[in-house]
Amino acid sequence: AQTVTQSQPEMSVQEAETVTLSCTYDTSESDYYLFWYKQPPSRQMILVIRQEAYKQQNATENRFSVNFQKAAKSFSLKISDSQLGDAAMYFCAPGGSEKLVFGKGTKLTVNP
Amino acid sequence: DVKVTQSSRYLVKRTGEKVFLECVQDMDHENMFWYRQDPGLGLRLIYFSYDVKMKEKGDIPEGYSVSREKKERFSLILESASTNQTSMYLCATRGAGRYSPLHFGNGTRLTVT
Repeated sequence: AQTVTQSQPEMSVQEAETVTLSCTYDTSESDYYLFWYKQPPSRQMILVIRQEAYKQQNATENRFSVNFQKAAKSFSLKISDSQLGDAAMYFCAPGGSEKLVFGKGTKLTVNP
Repeated sequence: DVKVTQSSRYLVKRTGEKVFLECVQDMDHENMFWYRQDPGLGLRLIYFSYDVKMKEKGDIPEGYSVSREKKERFSLILESASTNQTSMYLCATRGAGRYSPLHFGNGTRLTVT
């Protein structure tokens, strides 16, 4: 079974600043992947970044990067140079062979 | 790009009605999912299917059923809608392979009165 904890229901950041969203998880699978999804007010869920659990190198996609600590089962998302368009709900989701399990989400507000 | 289309964006139904939520994908993905999204609870998996006519229960299947007669279409059925099923419903697909992400539709906001 998989469980996911996003301990920050809400976060805010100033435009152009950096923010980190936390996620911890538990899984019984040995081979799995981790995903961060973004859901803006338009409500279309969009993939932000993904990480293969067996890779030690942290994934990066432009302004988005992760800090993956496998032993601690931690998978945080760092957003650099925050933009107004980054305002959204962010969901962490570890996934194995069949399904992804989602955290409860963190609502990110970006202040101009 | 993967396109996942949910037939209705907003739906209002009465208690006791039978409700069908339709989802169609155009990418030949084997795996399809129905999630329910509620504030403070995140996304919870209702049912998923990894092949035509195959279905698996997710974490909250009670009060729901599904149908997958064709690979591209996955329907969620509320046999007798109740007010506690008022929610946002998200359909998603996933290709083969552990690294494959989910691709979501736009969601259907269902209100049961």
